[in-house]
Amino acid sequence: QKEVEQDPGPLSVPEGAIVSLNCTYSNSAFQYFMWYRQYSRKGPELLMYTYSSGNKEDGRFTAQVDKSSKYISLFIRDSQPSDSATYLCAMKGGTASKLTFGTGTRLQVTL
Amino acid sequence: SAVISQKPSRDICQRGTSLTIQCQVDSQVTMMFWYRQQPGQSLTLIATANQGSEATYESGFVIDKFPISRPNLTFSTLTVSNMSPEDSSIYLCSGSGGAYTEAFFGQGTRLTVV
Repeated sequence: QKEVEQDPGPLSVPEGAIVSLNCTYSNSAFQYFMWYRQYSRKGPELLMYTYSSGNKEDGRFTAQVDKSSKYISLFIRDSQPSDSATYLCAMKGGTASKLTFGTGTRLQVTL
Repeated sequence: SAVISQKPSRDICQRGTSLTIQCQVDSQVTMMFWYRQQPGQSLTLIATANQGSEATYESGFVIDKFPISRPNLTFSTLTVSNMSPEDSSIYLCSGSGGAYTEAFFGQGTRLTVV
């Protein structure tokens, strides 16, 4: 079993839809959670960074962390075609500085 | 946030040769990381590079094949040595302020070995 599980998709939604992207994890030591967006042929771009449980909002993006369930989510409101990309969850914990990544979910927002 | 400039952005190399990839960060970062990413797949960590100490390599990666330098807090290089077609991949560098901070990525180097 992988430490971080993420549905690879692809996930196709119409423009304007609310998108929900999710990851589950097994290591209870994880405390820092990140979501990255990666366009084709580009490096990952940090979208959201959260610590421990709770919600964090930034514009159309909301990150949720539920440590009791070992489950994190990224919500995208009013999705746009420019949101079409691969979304990677990543996490780390304790004194470990290296990230553990999910496999990435490919999102396609259609007109 | 830190901005990481990585070069070259792409290269096509002959087998048996070596390529050095450079990453320059616009601010000091405690830790730098080097990853490999196959098309359509997630990131695989090659090694962690701290200034003033040898890089720490992940299982399956060795220093002779992927020597890393970290001369200061804003710069690092990764060399892919004695390349074979199996080394064709995207190589990414990342920087982080430490265990409690986020990590930022360069734009990647797309390497093709022929």
